[in-house]
Amino acid sequence: GDSVTQMEGPVTLSEEACLTINCTYTATGYPSLFWYVQYPGEGLQLLLKATKADDKGSNKGFEATYRKETTSFHLEKGSVQVSDSAVYFCALSLSGGYQKVTFGTGTKLQVIP
Amino acid sequence: NAGVMQNPRHLVRRRGQEARLRCSPMKGHSHVYWYRQLPEEGLKFMVYLQKENIIDESGMPKERFSAEFPKEGPSILRIQQVVRGDSAAYFCASSPGGRGRDYEQYFGPGTRLTVT
Repeated sequence: GDSVTQMEGPVTLSEEACLTINCTYTATGYPSLFWYVQYPGEGLQLLLKATKADDKGSNKGFEATYRKETTSFHLEKGSVQVSDSAVYFCALSLSGGYQKVTFGTGTKLQVIP
Repeated sequence: NAGVMQNPRHLVRRRGQEARLRCSPMKGHSHVYWYRQLPEEGLKFMVYLQKENIIDESGMPKERFSAEFPKEGPSILRIQQVVRGDSAAYFCASSPGGRGRDYEQYFGPGTRLTVT
């Protein structure tokens, strides 16, 4: 079946450090890929997405590139802020009428001043 | 344009009681999805509904859980005879539907169910 594997947390970084959260996937078809962010006590917000190979999704300084050859969608940010502290979920969905989303287990990021 | 609304935000039930969780999709959205997030875990798909139809309930527990999305009104996730293991955050998402690749699900703030 379809699955998403992302690096375990928690990840603790100092402000302005570089961030990489690894994500790889297994899918029976050609998925769209997503990163969602969940701030404490809140629901999920879509951070960025990519729908085809070599697409780069970007938002709020975060980037991720859809790599079909390595089945990866790693999340990166050059300089993190305290306000980026949250749980980040990598996810995929398959086209074909509806999009059930399959999530990874989440990576908690804590940024310290 | 209001986002996906869920209520209540927090729900406490004693073992054996019923829990009803409501979800109002975004305006113009006809597809609703329910997900469950257990503590320290990711979200797991439960059920996908369109108006008056259950399309995919492959993630629903076989007993005590049911979902509906009537022609009028919100989608309801119903849990009968709750047990402590049902304690979780339940998220609803909606989408406009269609067959394109470039649409997304919009998530509500979730209902946090605590079973005592």
